[in-house]
Amino acid sequence: AQSVTQLGSHVSVSEGALVLLRCNYSSSVPPYLFWYVQYPNQGLQLLLKYTTGATLVKGINGFEAEFKKSETSFHLTKPSAHMSDAAEYFCAVRAISSGSARQLTFGSGTQLTVLP
Amino acid sequence: NAGVTQTPKFQVLKTGQSMTLQCAQDMNHNSMYWYRQDPGMGLRLIYYSASEGTTDKGEVPNGYNVSRLNKREFSLRLESAAPSQTSVYFCASSERGATSTDTQYFGPGTRLTVL
Repeated sequence: AQSVTQLGSHVSVSEGALVLLRCNYSSSVPPYLFWYVQYPNQGLQLLLKYTTGATLVKGINGFEAEFKKSETSFHLTKPSAHMSDAAEYFCAVRAISSGSARQLTFGSGTQLTVLP
Repeated sequence: NAGVTQTPKFQVLKTGQSMTLQCAQDMNHNSMYWYRQDPGMGLRLIYYSASEGTTDKGEVPNGYNVSRLNKREFSLRLESAAPSQTSVYFCASSERGATSTDTQYFGPGTRLTVL
């Protein structure tokens, strides 16, 4: 079974500061990894995903994440926060194997607040 | 191209009432999903449909039924609503589903309150 842990349910940063949202996964084999963003009163939108190849993945809106197998982590970063980045962020994993592979397992989410 | 649409946006039910949440996608996707979102718990899969004519249980199926009406539409029914079903419900779709790298596209959600 796979699981996702997002450290910190709430993170606050100042505008222009580094954004770091943490995600660790538990899986018997390295899974596929995703970050989604949810703006208030909206559905989830894919930010980026890691499947194979380069472990540093770039996504939309200047976000990137690095897959570190040895640390079972997939932390999300952005060098300089913008007010428009305020949202809730979800890390998700998906097993490579078949069967229940369709099922995304989501973390509990991290609410990002950007302070002026 | 509207993507994934859901109706209604908001609903208040009394315990024991029934209702159906509607979802449609116009991206010609094969797979569709229903999730519920509760505070501090992320999203949990209720049911999914890998392709037209098939449905499977997810993590939290009890109290729900689904129908994949056609390729575009996937409905979620609460036969006898309970306060524990108060949640935000999201529908999603993906192109192939059987491929693990598939991206899921989400609708705007239905906010359901059961009194």
